[in-house]
Amino acid sequence: EVHLVQSGGGLVKPGGSLRLSCAASGFTFSDAWMTWVRQAPGKGLEWVGRIKSTPDGAAADYAAPMAGRVTISRDDSKSTLYLQMHSLKTEDTGTYFCATEIVGALPHWGQGTLVTASS
Amino acid sequence: SYALTQPSSLSVSPGQTASITCSGDTLGHKYTSWYQQKPGQSPVLVIHQDDRRPSGIPERFSGSNSGNTATLTISGTQATDEADYYCQAWDSGPVVFGGGTKLTVL
Repeated sequence: EVHLVQSGGGLVKPGGSLRLSCAASGFTFSDAWMTWVRQAPGKGLEWVGRIKSTPDGAAADYAAPMAGRVTISRDDSKSTLYLQMHSLKTEDTGTYFCATEIVGALPHWGQGTLVTASS
Repeated sequence: SYALTQPSSLSVSPGQTASITCSGDTLGHKYTSWYQQKPGQSPVLVIHQDDRRPSGIPERFSGSNSGNTATLTISGTQATDEADYYCQAWDSGPVVFGGGTKLTVL
């Protein structure tokens, strides 16, 4: 059974940095495309970015609003996905989800982790 | 940038059919997925690749996609189907979500 367990959220001051983690199990992590999605309080889902599988080159793509402020990476030896966020803004506040991506669909999701950017 | 439009809300009586639409330019040329999200929970994939249902999703959920519109249909809607529903499109590039539809069953 696929499990995605997230950690690393919390309160950070505007301008600060934060790294989120997503520990995967139940599948061959190195072969998986992985995606980050966020949701502002009371709002809809927003794609943050993805990282392709290692056989596909492990290249990352980012949504325009966050490009340049986030880095998605993976450690296949630990079956863990990361989202490094810099220069956080108050509007980055929300719940961040990791998910597997297969042919453009997101079948498995983590439990979500709350990031609050506030002074 | 590419945009998907959904109605913000929809109400349906128990046992009736709910149809949630998702509109986007040439959406029929992209793969569309649908997600159900209940308060405080992670989204759940209910339809992928336009009309495929993942294992464990009830048969009353179905999908279609043609032209500029994709549709999620819930036949015989149950009270447990009350949730937010999001469409999502993909054609090898970025993933795009619709704004979501709040489905009320009353």
